[in-house]
Amino acid sequence: GENVEQHPSTLSVQEGDSAVIKCTYSDSASNYFPWYKQELGKRPQLIIDIRSNVGEKKDQRIAVTLNKTAKHFSLHITETQPEDSAVYFCAASGTSYDKVIFGPGTSLSVIP
Amino acid sequence: EAQVTQNPRYLITVTGKKLTVTCSQNMNHEYMSWYRQDPGLGLRQIYYSMNVEVTDKGDVPEGYKVSRKEKRNFPLILESPSPNQTSLYFCASSLSGGERSYEQYFGPGTRLTVT
Repeated sequence: GENVEQHPSTLSVQEGDSAVIKCTYSDSASNYFPWYKQELGKRPQLIIDIRSNVGEKKDQRIAVTLNKTAKHFSLHITETQPEDSAVYFCAASGTSYDKVIFGPGTSLSVIP
Repeated sequence: EAQVTQNPRYLITVTGKKLTVTCSQNMNHEYMSWYRQDPGLGLRQIYYSMNVEVTDKGDVPEGYKVSRKEKRNFPLILESPSPNQTSLYFCASSLSGGERSYEQYFGPGTRLTVT
């Protein structure tokens, strides 16, 4: 079946450094790739998303890149801050009639 | 305030005792979904609904039932809960655009323990 792999499972960086999380999907029909951030004890919330007709999208310190040929997409966080510490989930989906498949998550710790 | 609500937030029950977790959204979203979250496994979709009276299985539907009789509500039913259904459950909703998927808005979660 369809799946989304996500690496690394844990990531620890110094404040101010960059963090990169990578995901690979299996379903070639996927065309929507959101990233969600989940702080401890809270619900997941969207931080950025990208569609298959776009190769890169940026929002302040956060960027996402997509390589449809290789079926992988990545989240880049620059100038990390302690409040970036959370679990990050990538996901892949197709149309509104399809399942949404999430990756297993990456626990990011930003050390002050 | 636009939101997704779930009830109850916490539930401890015994094996075999039927339970329902309610989910409601006030954003007029067509798409609603249920997920379970377990350590190391991320969010796994249980069931989803593209619109009223239209539902489909996600990746882990066994042991669960859903119904979508109204656009705003999407209850999750466990007819005979078992300990392996102990988990954190999230309801979510989003717009539905036919060929396009959209951001999902999550409820606060329901922590279920089955003993």
